[in-house]
Amino acid sequence: NAGVTQTPKFRILKIGQSMTLQCTQDMNHNYMYWYRQDPGMGLKLIYYSVGAGITDKGEVPNGYNVSRSTTEDFPLRLELAAPSQTSVYFCASRNDRGASYEQYFGPGTRLTVT
Amino acid sequence: AQSVTQLGSHVSVSEGALVLLRCNYSSSVPPYLFWYVQYPNQGLQLLLKYTSAATLVKGINGFEAEFKKSETSFHLTKPSAHMSDAAEYFCAALYTGANSKLTFGKGITLSVRP
Repeated sequence: NAGVTQTPKFRILKIGQSMTLQCTQDMNHNYMYWYRQDPGMGLKLIYYSVGAGITDKGEVPNGYNVSRSTTEDFPLRLELAAPSQTSVYFCASRNDRGASYEQYFGPGTRLTVT
Repeated sequence: AQSVTQLGSHVSVSEGALVLLRCNYSSSVPPYLFWYVQYPNQGLQLLLKYTSAATLVKGINGFEAEFKKSETSFHLTKPSAHMSDAAEYFCAALYTGANSKLTFGKGITLSVRP
């Protein structure tokens, strides 16, 4: 299994541009998550999904959108990029069966907005 | 609000010394607890987890953690630090329920001196 994959690894955006961060998992996990990581702040949940067609806001959803049309894919959309969205973005997934509760993380996308 | 507290942002130890990274959770109902490690420019990797079985949990790379309900703590330890342990460490709590989500601490950077 490749696990959780994210593309791109790095991206520089100008203010006002838009982009989509891709996330794919091949573990047939129902739960998927998007986090942003800022220095000294830990990880903040942006959006999450409990299955195809179902998404919900996390702690810091403003400026982002998501969709979940398949079990495997959970893209994150930035519509009008702002400098405050400069961060490292992590996608994660987990199984909703059994008592593992472990989240598996992708390698991250480092985004700079200038 | 449910939270996870990791006191301090940086810990420095000598190679071969004891590693102790502190984590406290805020809840009268014990959550599931996790320690993740993040090496530079990588995603998060699970070190160990507590899911209400044994209170002393052993993880990868010689780390272990003890769940203490009376202290609402889940401190991470390793008897003898190695240079390769230098990384950022995150404690996280999962408060179970509908659409349960991880709450992360702010992380602690561990440095290991030769």
